[in-house]
Amino acid sequence: RKEVEQDPGPFNVPEGATVAFNCTYSNSASQSFFWYRQDCRKEPKLLMSVYSSGNEDGRFTAQLNRASQYISLLIRDSKLSDSATYLCVVILYGNKLVFGAGTILRVKS
Amino acid sequence: NAGVTQTPKFRVLKTGQSMTLLCAQDMNHEYMYWYRQDPGMGLRLIHYSVGEGTTAKGEVPDGYNVSRLKKQNFLLGLESAAPSQTSVYFCASSPGLAGDFYEQYFGPGTRLTVT
Repeated sequence: RKEVEQDPGPFNVPEGATVAFNCTYSNSASQSFFWYRQDCRKEPKLLMSVYSSGNEDGRFTAQLNRASQYISLLIRDSKLSDSATYLCVVILYGNKLVFGAGTILRVKS
Repeated sequence: NAGVTQTPKFRVLKTGQSMTLLCAQDMNHEYMYWYRQDPGMGLRLIHYSVGEGTTAKGEVPDGYNVSRLKKQNFLLGLESAAPSQTSVYFCASSPGLAGDFYEQYFGPGTRLTVT
């Protein structure tokens, strides 16, 4: 079983739609979580951290479910510019990061 | 500030050749990392450094060596390139531990092809 698993997609949604991705992790000792965004042929950039209490930033909401060992990302009112690959990142401790392979989102007009 | 820069952006090597990838950051970050990204897989950590003069192995270190002689630079070397090392290489830096919710700042990547 992979340490971090994501549905590769692609998720094809119309502008204005709400879309949600999940990311499951296998190690219950994982301590920190992030969502990064990666545009085509570009470097990853931090989208948001995922705290135990959740995190909301404008149209984006991230949640952590420790009991079921997954994190989620909800995007409301999707924009064309949201089209990208969304990477789930799980930190076991210190600097041991594990990246998911990413979920592709395509927002269409 | 330029952030994190990588040199070169593209390179084609023949099997058995050697090369060095250069990463530079101007943010005075202590931590620096080298990752590789392959299709269908997440970024995998090759080596990392927790400060000037230090290096440590990551998940996939075989076939690579690194050096951090200056705080702002982190070099990744391939002594004898193999086709399995065809990948996109990303350098990153951070001011603190990811486990403490510090962001990693990535460079633009180096696309390496080994024939």
